[in-house]
Amino acid sequence: QSALTQPASVSGSPGQSITISCTGTSSDVGGYNYVSWYQQHPGKAPKLMIYEVTNRPSGVSNRFSGSKSGNTASLTISGLQAEDEADYYCSSYTRSNTYVFGTGTKVTVL
Amino acid sequence: QITLKESGPTLVKPTQTLTLTCTFSGFSLSTNGVGVGWIRQPPGKALEWLAFLYWNDEKRYSPSLKTRLTITKDTSKNQVVLTMTNMDPVDTATYYCAHKRNDWKAAFDYWGQGTLITVSS
Repeated sequence: QSALTQPASVSGSPGQSITISCTGTSSDVGGYNYVSWYQQHPGKAPKLMIYEVTNRPSGVSNRFSGSKSGNTASLTISGLQAEDEADYYCSSYTRSNTYVFGTGTKVTVL
Repeated sequence: QITLKESGPTLVKPTQTLTLTCTFSGFSLSTNGVGVGWIRQPPGKALEWLAFLYWNDEKRYSPSLKTRLTITKDTSKNQVVLTMTNMDPVDTATYYCAHKRNDWKAAFDYWGQGTLITVSS
């Protein structure tokens, strides 16, 4: 299975909204509503931000939202803040009953 | 409170077998729907999913690493063990274990701190 495709980097100014895409296939992203998103700060373990495409775990800011259209899932961060600067990874369940992560996106707050 | 912690050698020689232990608390791996996964991250690179173990002992492996991986559990000790054979320098990475809760299909809500494994002679 190939890694899901994400843009290498996305940037925005404080207060702006940014969107990170995550493109897979009908065997993973497009086939299931089981896409999750993780935030990772340098030297830290990943943190779950979105599960099952659109759901936020308790404690995650409502500035983070998820969506999906066809084989592409998206994470939107609204009201961008300095603390949002991190790497972001998508993940999906697959037809083979396995998991696959994305290539990762570095978010820079200008 | 759910916690997970990875342990194992920090340095492994090429061709050796790596054994990593994930010791957890705050949940039972006997609970229907719960699972533990292993994920790794080479320095400066992306996350890579390796293996997953369900509460009912069902196992899943990365297709590209399937022949080298074995995941097992010791429910009485609250541990999940991952072994990886024939280690190579490209396997140098931080290895994480993570928890999947019973009512979410495919998301890891708690992660260990990770352990850096270096493969070098």
